[in-house]
Amino acid sequence: QKEVEQNSGPLSVPEGAIASLNCTYSDRGSQSFFWYRQYSGKSPELIMSIYSNGDKEDGRFTAQLNKASQYVSLLIRDSQPSDSATYLCAISVPFGNEKLTFGTGTRLTIIP
Amino acid sequence: DADVTQTPRNRITKTGKRIMLECSQTKGHDRMYWYRQDPGLGLRLIYYSFDVKDINKGEISDGYSVSRQAQAKFSLSLESAIPNQTALYFCATSDFQRLAETNTGELFFGEGSRLTVL
Repeated sequence: QKEVEQNSGPLSVPEGAIASLNCTYSDRGSQSFFWYRQYSGKSPELIMSIYSNGDKEDGRFTAQLNKASQYVSLLIRDSQPSDSATYLCAISVPFGNEKLTFGTGTRLTIIP
Repeated sequence: DADVTQTPRNRITKTGKRIMLECSQTKGHDRMYWYRQDPGLGLRLIYYSFDVKDINKGEISDGYSVSRQAQAKFSLSLESAIPNQTALYFCATSDFQRLAETNTGELFFGEGSRLTVL
């Protein structure tokens, strides 16, 4: 079982709709969870981080964490064409953030 | 200028050649990392360094070596390149102090080095 699993997609969502991206992880000791966005041909950039169970909102983005079920999700409200990218889920192993383990990414396409 | 600079950006080489990818940063961060990205496999950690005297293997270090020449420089070498090392390589940095205090886990990536081994 992979440490971090994501549906590779592609996920197509109409403009203005909610895009929902999911990620599951295997290590129950994982403490920190992140979503990175990567545009085609570019490097990843951090868009959300979450450490506690529940929801965390930042603008149009909401990260949701459920440690009991070992999943983390990212919701994008009012999806825009500029949200079309690959979204990478990442977790930190115990003992700090010295290294992140990434999922394979979900490719999201927003359809105008 | 980019805060994390990788050279070369693109390189085509032949099997058996020695290749060095270089990374320099102006962010003043202590921690530096090398990842490779392959389609369908995501980002995988090759090596990481917490400071000049600290080098650690990641999950796929075989066939690679690194050198941390200074706080700002971290290079990745392929001693004898093979075709399955064809990939997109990313250098990244993070700020230990900031991580310890705020636990953001943010990595700052370079623009990537695309390596093709024929």
